[in-house]
Amino acid sequence: EVQLVESGGGLVQPGRSLRLSCAASGFKFDDYAMHWVRQAPGKGLEWVALITWDSNNIEYADSVKGRFTISRDNAKNSLYLQMNSLRPEDTALYYCARDFDSRGLYYFDYWGQGTLVTVSS
Amino acid sequence: DIVMTQSPDSLAVSLGERATINCKSSQSLSYSSNYKNYLAWYQQKPGQPPKLLIYWASARESGVPDRFSGGGSGTDFTLTISSLQAEDVAVYYCQQYYNTPRTFGQGTKVEIK
Repeated sequence: EVQLVESGGGLVQPGRSLRLSCAASGFKFDDYAMHWVRQAPGKGLEWVALITWDSNNIEYADSVKGRFTISRDNAKNSLYLQMNSLRPEDTALYYCARDFDSRGLYYFDYWGQGTLVTVSS
Repeated sequence: DIVMTQSPDSLAVSLGERATINCKSSQSLSYSSNYKNYLAWYQQKPGQPPKLLIYWASARESGVPDRFSGGGSGTDFTLTISSLQAEDVAVYYCQQYYNTPRTFGQGTKVEIK
């Protein structure tokens, strides 16, 4: 059974940093690209970042470019999101999602339950 | 960026009746090389993550009931629930994977009338 379990969320002050993790199991992690998607409270879905299976292609939404860094450790079956210079508008439930393809070209076939990040003083 | 616009924002349908959600993209989601439409539909129930329902605009994900169907091509797409069940109450999102940034529609809330 495919499982994606996010962790690392919490309450953080504006300008500070946070690192999210996503532990994957039930599939061969290095066969798939991965994404982070976020959802502000009561709002819709916003794609955040993509990383291909080999980390050779990484892309970001303009709203987080230069502040967030996506990475993965295939040996640990884990995906990460380093979030720096956090802003109140980054407050959201952060989901990791699996791409159907290793190159990150397709739809998201599995999602985790999400981890909540709250940016507030 | 490709803008995805859903309509309506919400709809209330009687049990057993048809529900139709529209999704329009600001540019074509069809590649001339393969004629596939890079459009997916997701269902999000309260307190749950999104769940993939439809990909390639009309291909049903494994395990999804056949009352869910997707249609359309180019820039205009639909998700139809042929006979609404109580467990279908949710917010539905369309999403393009034609390019990055991946973009979603604003969501359509489906309720029971």
